[in-house]
Amino acid sequence: QQQVKQSPQSLIVQKGGISIINCAYENTAFDYFPWYQQFPGKGPALLIAIRPDVSEKKEGRFTISFNKSAKQFSLHIMDSQPGDSATYFCAASKGAQKLVFGQGTRLTINP
Amino acid sequence: GAGVSQSPRYKVAKRGQDVALRCDPISGHVSLFWYQQALGQGPEFLTYFQNEAQLDKSGLPSDRFFAERPEGSVSTLKIQRTQQEDSAVYLCASSLGHGQGHYGYTFGSGTRLTVV
Repeated sequence: QQQVKQSPQSLIVQKGGISIINCAYENTAFDYFPWYQQFPGKGPALLIAIRPDVSEKKEGRFTISFNKSAKQFSLHIMDSQPGDSATYFCAASKGAQKLVFGQGTRLTINP
Repeated sequence: GAGVSQSPRYKVAKRGQDVALRCDPISGHVSLFWYQQALGQGPEFLTYFQNEAQLDKSGLPSDRFFAERPEGSVSTLKIQRTQQEDSAVYLCASSLGHGQGHYGYTFGSGTRLTVV
C-alpha cells in the first residue's frame, strides 16, 4: 500500500524558475512531513519539515505548503539553481517513528 | 564522528552468501533506523532501535534479515543467504530521539549491496 504518493516523477526547470513537487498522503495519523534531498551516492539529507498545525513553512528559497483537508503537501523551490539538481523525496511519519517515503522526483535545473 | 558512518560503502556478494553491514550513528543519538532503497525508489523502512532495544522490525522482508545494536551505539544489519532481490542501497539513520522532540534524521551515505 503506497501511503505517500509523489509527483511528478521527473521535472526540468530553467535556472531562476520555481520548482514545485507535490505529495499526497492517506494516513490521517501522520503528524510530521519532511522533505529530503538526495544527491547520487549520498544518503537523503533533511531539507525542511512541517507539522500539520501550520499551512506553510519557509526556509530560505524552500517553502512547504500544507493542506490538511486535502491531505496534500508540496515543496516549492524559488529561484532554482543548477546546484538544486537532485532527487527530492517527501515523507511522512506518526511521531518520531518510521518515515514513509514517496517515490521521489528527479529535478534538473537547466542553466 | 560528525555524521553517520556506514561500512562497507560497496559490497558484492555471491547468491547464498551471508553479509554484515555496519552503522556508526552520531554519538549520543538514541534512535537508529535501517532503510532499504532500491534503484530509483524511495527508502523503505526495515527496523528501528531505541538505544539497544529493537522496537520495530516490521519492515524486515524475511527471516533472512537480522539487525542488532547490542550496546546502544553501533548497529549491524545481517542478511543471510543473500538473494538477487536483496540488491539495494542499505541506509542507516540516527536521531536524538522523540523524547528530545527531534524528529529529523541524519542519514549515512549507505552501503550498496549487489548480489550476483
